[in-house]
Amino acid sequence: GAVVSQHPSWVICKSGTSVKIECRSLDFQATTMFWYRQFPKQSLMLMATSNEGSKATYEQGVEKDKFLINHASLTLSTLTVTSAHPEDSSFYICSAQVGGDITDTQYFGPGTRLTVL
Amino acid sequence: QKEVEQDPGPLSVPEGAIVSLNCTYSNSAFQYFMWYRQYSRKGPELLMYTYSSGNKEDGRFTAQVDKSSKYISLFIRDSQPSDSATYLCAVKTGANNLFFGTGTRLTVIP
Repeated sequence: GAVVSQHPSWVICKSGTSVKIECRSLDFQATTMFWYRQFPKQSLMLMATSNEGSKATYEQGVEKDKFLINHASLTLSTLTVTSAHPEDSSFYICSAQVGGDITDTQYFGPGTRLTVL
Repeated sequence: QKEVEQDPGPLSVPEGAIVSLNCTYSNSAFQYFMWYRQYSRKGPELLMYTYSSGNKEDGRFTAQVDKSSKYISLFIRDSQPSDSATYLCAVKTGANNLFFGTGTRLTVIP
């Protein structure tokens, strides 16, 4: 149980284009979904937190107009990188959590590797 | 100052060795402590979690927390090549605020 999927697993795009990444909780309904970014040899950095039907809460320094998050249902969240540039190349990982207690676990997806040429 | 500091390694050990992975954290408000394992090009998976100071054991893995020193550790006994991965410590204050260390890359050599 508690499986989170991401699609695509990797994507290459040209500079200036937009890329959409999907995150799905397959066997549970997630109260909250999170989006992280991980650069090589660095830790996961939280980008934003989203609840179904609400606007996402972005971390300081993350451009909300560049990284559009849509949380359409309790099992699906999407991250759209708009007008992507080479510096946006990274490993994007989502997680999903049931409940709002400190003991509630975040279950992570397998990640999406984005390369912007 | 980062919320969580972790030695990035890399760390190489022979099969069967005891591995010790460590993190320090800055904020005494952190209440919940976790270790995640991340294989290359995969998302992290939760290994262990604990609330309180002391030890928590699960098979070959032992998580240790010392709140007075703000120090958390993960010990792996009888390490196996399949344990080769990056290990991330993480701490939480509330329901959503999860802070990760940079991760320690471990290689267990057969």
